[in-house]
Amino acid sequence: AQKVTQAQTEISVVEKEDVTLDCVYETRDTTYYLFWYKQPPSGELVFLIRRNSFDEQNEISGRYSWNFQKSTSSFNFTITASQVVDSAVYFCALRKTSGTYKYIFGTGTRLKVLA
Amino acid sequence: DARVTQTPRHKVTEMGQEVTMRCQPILGHNTVFWYRQTMMQGLELLAYFRNRAPLDDSGMPKDRFSAEMPDATLATLKIQPSEPRDSAVYFCASGLAPGTGRHTEAFFGQGTRLTVV
Repeated sequence: AQKVTQAQTEISVVEKEDVTLDCVYETRDTTYYLFWYKQPPSGELVFLIRRNSFDEQNEISGRYSWNFQKSTSSFNFTITASQVVDSAVYFCALRKTSGTYKYIFGTGTRLKVLA
Repeated sequence: DARVTQTPRHKVTEMGQEVTMRCQPILGHNTVFWYRQTMMQGLELLAYFRNRAPLDDSGMPKDRFSAEMPDATLATLKIQPSEPRDSAVYFCASGLAPGTGRHTEAFFGQGTRLTVV
């Protein structure tokens, strides 16, 4: 069975602090995709990143970075120098590479960045 | 700027009434998902279509929910009769499935917030 765990329900930080959102996943598949989505207060789900299981290179995009470690089944997300606009719920998700194409989402982490 | 369009954005209805939610996927996408988001259950998959054919609707209560794709530009989710426990945000998403030469992640619509009183 596939499962995504985001143990942090809510995190509060002060603006300009760095913050890491944890994601741990379970799957029996040897190949899979991992994703992060952002849900701002307006409600829509915004795609942030997709990572293939055979690509363990970390990725950086501006203030965002992702650390994928297959050995620990983790795909953590770090925001550097957080801003108030980063306040949102962040979801980690897992998907097979073939067959059933559905996304398995974690329960989300609510990030509050205080001015 | 291509996006998934969902209507209505908000719907308040009385228990027992029929509710139809509509989704226009991004042009060219061949997969469509319906997800339901609640505080208690988080994001749950209700139905998944590929090339307009339903491939997985195991998460959908069959007695009252139905999902269809009458054509490639329209997906519908219907609840009949609606119940207060159906109150949630319903998201539609579309994407390109692997094996099409270029696959993408799922892009989500803004959701339909349904309240059943």
